Amino acid sequence: GAVVSQHPSWVICKSGTSVKIECRSLDFQATTMFWYRQFPKQSLMLMATSNEGSKATYEQGVEKDKFLINHASLTLSTLTVTSAHPEDSSFYICSASLGAGQGRNTQYFGPGTRLTVL
Amino acid sequence: AQKVTQAQTEISVVEKEDVTLDCVYETRDTTYYLFWYKQPPSGELVFLIRRNSFDEQNEISGRYSWNFQKSTSSFNFTITASQVVDSAVYFCALNTNAGKSTFGDGTTLTVKP
Repeated sequence: GAVVSQHPSWVICKSGTSVKIECRSLDFQATTMFWYRQFPKQSLMLMATSNEGSKATYEQGVEKDKFLINHASLTLSTLTVTSAHPEDSSFYICSASLGAGQGRNTQYFGPGTRLTVL
Repeated sequence: AQKVTQAQTEISVVEKEDVTLDCVYETRDTTYYLFWYKQPPSGELVFLIRRNSFDEQNEISGRYSWNFQKSTSSFNFTITASQVVDSAVYFCALNTNAGKSTFGDGTTLTVKP
């Protein structure tokens, strides 16, 4: 159980285009989903937290208008990188949890999406 | 503020050796959760264990064991009789009831045959 999928697993795009990444919880309903980015040989950096049906909460320094997050259902969250530039190239990872509180806050991670912007 | 420190950036061992990965955390919350995740070269993070702040029992799962000590704010992870397949980056993470996790910088473990 607790499987999270991401699509696509990798994407190459031209500078200036927008890219959408999907994150799905396959066998459970995810009240909360998280989006991270990870640069080579670095730790995960939390970008935003999204709760189903409400606006995402972005971490300091993350541009809301550039990284659009939508959590329309309990099993799907999307991250859209708008007007992508080479510096946006990174490994994007989503995770899903049942929410906060005892026993519910274990995060299950998707396999990640490697974005390369040319 | 929450902080997780994994002081060991890289560890290299020979197969069958035991290895311990250190994790020290800081939080003002009295209720919190600690996690270990494994990230193999493929990139996907694999959940290994969750520990509640009110449960200091150590845990063993096969070749893996975890030592949680609140007195020293540490949650160390030991792999017994390491194998080449254990080579990966291991992350320790801290989570409070707010739901967000704070990750350490990770420890890269290389197990040589």
